[in-house]
Amino acid sequence: GQNIDQPTEMTATEGAIVQINCTYQTSGFNGLFWYQQHAGEAPTFLSYNVLDGLEEKGRFSSFLSRSKGYSYLLLKELQMKDSASYLCAVRSGGSYIPTFGRGTSLIVHP
Amino acid sequence: GAVVSQHPSRVICKSGTSVKIECRSLDFQATTMFWYRQFPKQSLMLMATSNEGSKATYEQGVEKDKFLINHASLTLSTLTVTSAHPEDSSFYICSASVEGAVETQYFGPGTRLLVL
Repeated sequence: GQNIDQPTEMTATEGAIVQINCTYQTSGFNGLFWYQQHAGEAPTFLSYNVLDGLEEKGRFSSFLSRSKGYSYLLLKELQMKDSASYLCAVRSGGSYIPTFGRGTSLIVHP
Repeated sequence: GAVVSQHPSRVICKSGTSVKIECRSLDFQATTMFWYRQFPKQSLMLMATSNEGSKATYEQGVEKDKFLINHASLTLSTLTVTSAHPEDSSFYICSASVEGAVETQYFGPGTRLLVL
């Protein structure tokens, strides 16, 4: 099985930078996803990492270290609309279907 | 492109009744569709994977006779919650993927089910 751990909740100030961490334990790692999910809505795809390093996409960046079983999602220039749950999902063991973590609820305040 | 719709978006039903949820890929053919359930402040839990024209593959602990899945065409999958009980109240989300790009999932907007 897989063990995916992320903080339950984080708060940050509008305009600031926040880093959401995700650690995982799995065998046969084959990719890590980050999704954003607003309350009562479906998840939307943010990023996909399969190799070590940083992937930057606008205000959002995602980092992966396979040897440490660690990833983070970095959100810059926070906006109020960034208040949402951020889900880390890991794919492994030859399956193309990722397993989702519980998500980190981010609250952005003025 | 790659839009997935779900219907209904919200449903309230009495205990013991059955509820059908539809998942449609609007502008692409989905060879594989996935059904998830999400309880408040919990993770997305995969219930089953369905491929067009074949029986669904259910995850461990998911009752196949209670959660009936039909994937009759490349654009439509249905989930029927039979004899619903209050503990079935949850947020049900489907996603779809395309042959050759199964690593990419396109999620529907979800269906909120409340069983009284």
